[in-house]
Amino acid sequence: AQSVTQLGSHVSVSEGALVLLRCNYSSSVPPYLFWYVQYPNQGLQLLLKYTSAATLVKGINGFEAEFKKSETSFHLTKPSAHMSDAAEYFCAVSDPQGGKLIFGQGTELSVKP
Amino acid sequence: NAGVMQNPRHLVRRRGQEARLRCSPVKGHSHVYWYRQLPEEGLKFMVYLQKENIIDESGMPKERFSAEFPKEGPSILRIQQVVRGDSAAYFCASSEGTGGHQPQHFGDGTRLSIL
Repeated sequence: AQSVTQLGSHVSVSEGALVLLRCNYSSSVPPYLFWYVQYPNQGLQLLLKYTSAATLVKGINGFEAEFKKSETSFHLTKPSAHMSDAAEYFCAVSDPQGGKLIFGQGTELSVKP
Repeated sequence: NAGVMQNPRHLVRRRGQEARLRCSPVKGHSHVYWYRQLPEEGLKFMVYLQKENIIDESGMPKERFSAEFPKEGPSILRIQQVVRGDSAAYFCASSEGTGGHQPQHFGDGTRLSIL
């Protein structure tokens, strides 16, 4: 069965600093992986997805993630944090037959001025 | 081009009442998913529907909860005889097709409060 673990429920960085949000997955088959961002009182917005093409995936708002099969990881990074990046971030793996997403617990990102 | 539309955005019910949550998918999308988000938790899958069919309801509570996606009109998540524990944000998502690579597009959710 698929599962996702996000290490760190809260991450705080200074504006301009590197953002690193960690995600590890468990899957019996090659996974499809996603990162979503949720701003307060809003739905989830897709940041990027991995679907077995390039292992380094670029998304919106300057975010990218690298798929590492050997480490079963799909960490999200951004070179320089902006105040507007403060939000909740969710990593998810897709059921291989299509259908449901299995989400991690989420990581709340705070950006200090 | 409208995204996923959910209404109402906020819904208040008293214990024992019924709650009806509506979801209109992205135009052209025939796959709808419902998720529930409890405070301080991630999203948990509830049900996956295609037009007029329930494909996967493995995350739905066995009692009081039902979902439909009729040929015409929005998808409806119905909760009968609500209890305090039903208080949560309910999100609907839609996708263009099946297959794990298809991204799901989310609505802004319905926040259900039970008095």
